[in-house]
Parts: sequence; C-alpha cells; structure tokens
Amino acid sequence: ELKVEQNPLFLSMQEGKNYTIYCNYSTTSDRLYWYRQDPGKSLESLFVLLSNGAVKQEGRLMASLDTKARLSTLHITAAVHDLSATYFCAVGETSGSRLTFGEGTQLTVNP
Amino acid sequence: DAGVIQSPRHEVTEMGQEVTLRCKPISGHDYLFWYRQTMMRGLELLIYFNNNVPIDDSGMPEDRFSAKMPNASFSTLKIQPSEPRDSAVYFCASRPSDRKSFFGQGTRLTVV
Repeated sequence: ELKVEQNPLFLSMQEGKNYTIYCNYSTTSDRLYWYRQDPGKSLESLFVLLSNGAVKQEGRLMASLDTKARLSTLHITAAVHDLSATYFCAVGETSGSRLTFGEGTQLTVNP
Repeated sequence: DAGVIQSPRHEVTEMGQEVTLRCKPISGHDYLFWYRQTMMRGLELLIYFNNNVPIDDSGMPEDRFSAKMPNASFSTLKIQPSEPRDSAVYFCASRPSDRKSFFGQGTRLTVV
C-alpha cells in the first residue's frame, strides 16, 4: 500500500523568508503532483512531476522530484501572504490512475 | 470551459435519507474521480472511471455508496442510507490521459 507523508503539517513563516515542504512516499511511482487548497475552496493544480530530477518553478514556488529517494520538495522563496494555503502532494501508483494524497501542509505567511 | 461542475454545493440531510451528488466533468476528459475530504482522514479516493467505466472502486466505504457514469458528461455518487459519519466535502475531478486533474468546487454534505 502506497503511503505518502508530508512534513511539516503546519508551517508558520514570516514574509520574505524561504522554506521547504517535504513529501515522502513509500513505493515506486512515476508521477507526483502538488496542489494548493484555500480554506473552503477546491484544489488547484500547481505542478506535475513525471521523471527523476524533474524541477518546475512558478513564481515563488519550485517543486522537485527524486524518485530514487522517493522524495519531492516544494520550496518557497521570499514568501508573501498570498501563499497562505494548504499544500498537498499526491503520488500516482504505477499501475492504474489512483492518486494517494499526503496529509497536507497548512502554510501561514505572516506579515 | 466552465471547469468541473458539481451540484449541489451544499447538502444537509437527515440520517437515513438518500443523497445524490452530481458531477459534470470537463469535456474531452477521459478520467473522472470522486474524492472525499474530512479533517480526520484527509483526501481519499472513492472511485474513478475511465471512459465511463468504473476502474477502481476500492475506496468506496461500504455498500451504502454507489457511483455511476452513464455517459461522458455526467456522473453521480449516491449514498443510501446516509449516516452522520458520511458528512464531508465530496470532490469530483476529471483529467485527460496522463495530465493533471481538475477539481470541482465540491459538495459539502452534512448528515444530521
């Protein structure tokens, strides 16, 4: 059974600081996704990572994937308040299209 | 495109009643997923369809839950009879092959 763990689960940071959210998973996978969810809202897709060493960046967020370590990171650069949300990673099983989600990281960026 | 459309947005029902949640996926998407989100269990995949055919329903909690996709533009998730522990936000998502999923706005279900 595929298990996905994120840490930290709660992150409070100041504007302008950098931080990294980690996503570990337990079995081989060929794709990993990052989503953002604002309170009471739906999930918004941020990144799709499909190969070892993949790195994608948009704005202040950068995601990377190391399939050998079964680890993905979401790096936040110079955080701003608008980035406050819950961030989920989701890992795809190699057979089929099932996604297993991590518990989510609730990020709060303080002025 | 209007995105994935779910209805209703909110549903409050009494225990024992039948509840039907509806989803209209994005046109052209081959895959449709039903998820449930709760504080205790996070996001769980209930079932997914490929080209209208149920592929994996191992996440469906029990026989009270059923899902159908009669055509490419419509799916339902039915709970009969509903119980208070079914209270959650239910999301529908769709995607084309090998691409990211697009989520609907969700249906917040409260069973009292």
